[in-house]
Amino acid sequence: AQSVTQPDIHITVSEGASLELRCNYSYGATPYLFWYVQSPGQGLQLLLKYFSGDTLVQGIKGFEAEFKRSQSSFNLRKPSVHWSDAAEYFCAVGLKAAGNKLTFGGGTRVLVKP
Amino acid sequence: GAVVSQHPSRVICKSGTSVKIECRSLDFQATTMFWYRQFPKQSLMLMATSNEGSKATYEQGVEKDKFLINHASLTLSTLTVTSAHPEDSSFYICSAFGDRGEEQYFGPGTRLTVT
Repeated sequence: AQSVTQPDIHITVSEGASLELRCNYSYGATPYLFWYVQSPGQGLQLLLKYFSGDTLVQGIKGFEAEFKRSQSSFNLRKPSVHWSDAAEYFCAVGLKAAGNKLTFGGGTRVLVKP
Repeated sequence: GAVVSQHPSRVICKSGTSVKIECRSLDFQATTMFWYRQFPKQSLMLMATSNEGSKATYEQGVEKDKFLINHASLTLSTLTVTSAHPEDSSFYICSAFGDRGEEQYFGPGTRLTVT
């Protein structure tokens, strides 16, 4: 069965420190890959996406992610975290052949210490 | 561009009543719209997929007679929660997929509280 795993439920990071959020997927083919951020009570904001090509993807707000086919991973990184980055982060995967339906990981809540 | 709106943003209804949530693509045509449900501190779960002019496809475990989905035009899909109960209280999010490319555009969500 297709699945998306975000192993870390919570991550606490100091402001200015680097951040890495993990995402692993299990799909029969290489899917489209996405990272979204959600602030409390709000909708989703797309940070970045991977469809094909360069496996290092740059997104908004200083985030980047690297697709590693051999590890079925799409980890999100930010070199220096700001207090405003405190939020819930979701990894999602989709397949065009599956009608572009998205499967979401369980989410990682990021807390930023001053 | 690629804006999706939802209305209402919050709704409180009494148990046993029905409530309708609208999802609109404001600046593009949405051939497909998706409806998700998100319980507190949980991830998004896909409820159903709706294609313009055809019946919605529901995910396993989602009651199609309880969650009525209509995708009558290329810019509007509605979700009606019929005979709502407190356990239906949740955050409902729609997304739209269309002529803009290969990603879904998400609405801001609707907070439903059933008392």
